[in-house]
Amino acid sequence: QVQLQESGPGLVKPSETLSLTCAVSGGSVTSVNYSWNWIRQSPGKGLEWIGCIYDSGRTTYNPSLKSRVTISVDTPNNQFSLRLRSVTAADTALYYCARNTLFLAMGASDSWGQGTQVTVSS
Amino acid sequence: EIVMTQSPATLSVSPGERASLSCRASQSVKNNLAWYQQKAGQAPRLLIYGASTRATGIPARFSGSGSETEFTLTISSLQSEDFAVYYCQQYKNWPPMYTFGQGTKLEIK
Repeated sequence: QVQLQESGPGLVKPSETLSLTCAVSGGSVTSVNYSWNWIRQSPGKGLEWIGCIYDSGRTTYNPSLKSRVTISVDTPNNQFSLRLRSVTAADTALYYCARNTLFLAMGASDSWGQGTQVTVSS
Repeated sequence: EIVMTQSPATLSVSPGERASLSCRASQSVKNNLAWYQQKAGQAPRLLIYGASTRATGIPARFSGSGSETEFTLTISSLQSEDFAVYYCQQYKNWPPMYTFGQGTKLEIK
């Protein structure tokens, strides 16, 4: 049973960079069977897919965020990370990491972390 | 971007009754449609993928139907634990650009 756990600062200043990590247990971030995703949720925008990374290291991002986002993987520590640059109050949200099982449904997230709240404020 | 529209925004149903939730895509997503359940303070839980396939451990009272642009999630006999918010999500695009509906809140009547 895979488990995902987000971690990172809960408060980020405007114009700075939001950095979050998702630790994975019970599964490997190097498996060819999965993609590793970041999704956020806010009252204003609802659920918004941010992007994902595959075992090869290839990434795909939401076009609306692509210019500011980087997702990377840390294989030795079996975790993956999100960096979102130049944040504004609109980036305030509950951030989730999630796993997609590619041979079942590439875009459906079957395991989620519990989420971490990030507030952008000075 | 494919826009997902769910209706109604809120659905009031009595326990034991059937609930039907709708999701419409702004263009065809074929059967690349998932449904999630979210309870307060929890992450979404995958219920259905491929429009009609139940995820692991999901009770048989949950069923999904539809294709192309019109989809329905049906809960055949509502249990107390089923009252929650439900989201649909499309994952047709390649390269990926997954989008969610705004949710339907299922409340006790």
